[in-house]
Amino acid sequence: ETGVTQTPRHLVMGMTNKKSLKCEQHLGHNAMYWYKQSAKKPLELMFVYNFKEQTENNSVPSRFSPECPNSSHLFLHLHTLQPEDSALYLCASSLRAGTRDSPLHFGNGTRLTVT
Amino acid sequence: EDQVTQSPEALRLQEGESSSLNCSYTVSGLRGLFWYRQDPGKGPEFLFTLYSAGEEKEKERLKATLTKKESFLHITAPKPEDSATYLCAGSNTDKLIFGTGTRLQVFP
Repeated sequence: ETGVTQTPRHLVMGMTNKKSLKCEQHLGHNAMYWYKQSAKKPLELMFVYNFKEQTENNSVPSRFSPECPNSSHLFLHLHTLQPEDSALYLCASSLRAGTRDSPLHFGNGTRLTVT
Repeated sequence: EDQVTQSPEALRLQEGESSSLNCSYTVSGLRGLFWYRQDPGKGPEFLFTLYSAGEEKEKERLKATLTKKESFLHITAPKPEDSATYLCAGSNTDKLIFGTGTRLQVFP
């Protein structure tokens, strides 16, 4: 496999559930990101990991918890979500964070619906 | 506040009808201006990076240009397969500030 792979593609969860989103990149990159995409809003950066270290937490509520065990894998653990958290969650990677010559490569996202 | 604004929000073109998409930015210390294409149900796909005013880049029917205040994505003789949402983003330090995108539909 090549590129950035996200699973699952679709997820429906109740407000009291706990679930996790998974992302894997096969590009040899060292930075990984979580973005939230809602209709008619700009892509919203949530978390950044650079060489497995979290370098950015963009004021994200604690019901979202990221985990980066190595440079190829990224998880987003979800618990007690709200309906307004329903969105497309995109994972991305780049060669390294903080350089302008390192464009983001995105996965195809997980469409999350919170009921 | 750093901001990126794209216009129009949506654009419908006949096949072969050339047009331009606009991306206006106010990003302090701009390090790069990025264009992405996003198809329905997929993640954004990288197209171009522009670094300085006056720079131009081309790929097939697409040409991106950059001034000190805005970027344009020119689409020459578009085909139905060019239909997608086009996103632009400005980079300062290590953050990308995205616009809301232009949804392009090209009809045969």
